[in-house]
Amino acid sequence: DAGVTQSPTHLIKTRGQHVTLRCSPISGHKSVSWYQQVLGQGPQFIFQYYEKEERGRGNFPDRFSARQFPNYSSELNVNALLLGDSALYLCASSHPGLEGLREQYFGPGTRLTVT
Amino acid sequence: DQQVKQNSPSLSVQEGRISILNCDYTNSMFDYFLWYKKYPAEGPTFLISISSIKDKNEDGRFTVFLNKSAKHLSLHIVPSQPGDSAVYFCAASGGSGNTPLVFGKGTRLSVIA
Repeated sequence: DAGVTQSPTHLIKTRGQHVTLRCSPISGHKSVSWYQQVLGQGPQFIFQYYEKEERGRGNFPDRFSARQFPNYSSELNVNALLLGDSALYLCASSHPGLEGLREQYFGPGTRLTVT
Repeated sequence: DQQVKQNSPSLSVQEGRISILNCDYTNSMFDYFLWYKKYPAEGPTFLISISSIKDKNEDGRFTVFLNKSAKHLSLHIVPSQPGDSAVYFCAASGGSGNTPLVFGKGTRLSVIA
């Protein structure tokens, strides 16, 4: 079975531009979460979507937005990019069940560099 | 203010010996804890988890211990293998509904052959 997939793997953008990152969850998983990992830190929660509805949002500015599609894939959008947005963006999916939503399985990430 | 702390940035262990990675948390609402392993250029890989109703969970060479009164958990790897060399993240979640993971900064484990 395919794991979580993300595209693109690497991306270089200029300050002020907009970026869209994509994620496909593991088959059967209905929840997708997005995390940002900067060098030397652990992943930091940005958004969680479950059954196409936003279920949680981390402490990120409104320049960050996301959505989940009927096939449970997801997009993360970042507007007006800043140098500080340079990071590894991780998507994680999880499945229903008693503890299923808590055990999140991560994709390889998209490395975003803002110059 | 860090809610999940991994105070050892790095750890070196001889192959075949035990590796012990530690994690402390401050938020009493956390009731589910996970360990992830991360290799360079890859996403974190789920290793093992533990619910707050337990104090120990084992999976092969990996055992997680939870001490709720001390707000402390540890991951034991026995025996350690060179392929275990990676960054290990401790993560926690709590409450119903919204279940984002809160991560520590990670501990880099080096297993020396």
